[in-house]
Amino acid sequence: SQTIHQWPATLVQPVGSPLSLECTVEGTSNPNLYWYRQAAGRGLQLLFYSVGIGQISSEVPQNLSASRPQDRQFILSSKKLLLSDSGFYLCAWSVVGDEQYFGPGTRLTVT
Amino acid sequence: AQSVAQPEDQVNVAEGNPLTVKCTYSVSGNPYLFWYVQYPNRGLQFLLKYITGDNLVKGSYGFEAEFNKSQTSFHLKKPSALVSDSALYFCAVRGYGNKLVFGAGTILRVKS
Repeated sequence: SQTIHQWPATLVQPVGSPLSLECTVEGTSNPNLYWYRQAAGRGLQLLFYSVGIGQISSEVPQNLSASRPQDRQFILSSKKLLLSDSGFYLCAWSVVGDEQYFGPGTRLTVT
Repeated sequence: AQSVAQPEDQVNVAEGNPLTVKCTYSVSGNPYLFWYVQYPNRGLQFLLKYITGDNLVKGSYGFEAEFNKSQTSFHLKKPSALVSDSALYFCAVRGYGNKLVFGAGTILRVKS
């Protein structure tokens, strides 16, 4: 069966520090991968999605970037965090045309 | 552009009573519709989907959803609510490029 992992689960970082969040998927090949941010415990904002290694589409201009160095690995990064980057970050995967499955999330607090 | 509306910010229901969480959609072409549930500080869990076929779709944890093309609705239902059903519920529609467009979410509170 397929599983999705995210780490760390929680993170507290100072403003201006770098960020790296990792997401890995097991049990499937060539999935579509997604990064979302959920602010204030409600709405989901799609940040990035990827249909293959090295293929990243950005949904909104921002302080973050994403990379997909391996088929089942998706990384969210920032060179310098802003206070507004705080939130709950969710990674998800899907096969083409099907539902998305979400990871457990990372709670990021920028202080 | 595809969009989803969840008109209720919160739904309150007594345990044992039927529950409905509303969702309306706007798409060009045939809709692919989904419901997800999120418990506090957790990722979203997939409940059910409508692609084609029967208008009544059955999903996980006793939930079902009714697709109504004329009303462009996809309401989530359960015959008898449990306190443990209290959570945040999201409706979503498949958009361009296999991305999902999510509604704003509805908080469901089930009181004993």
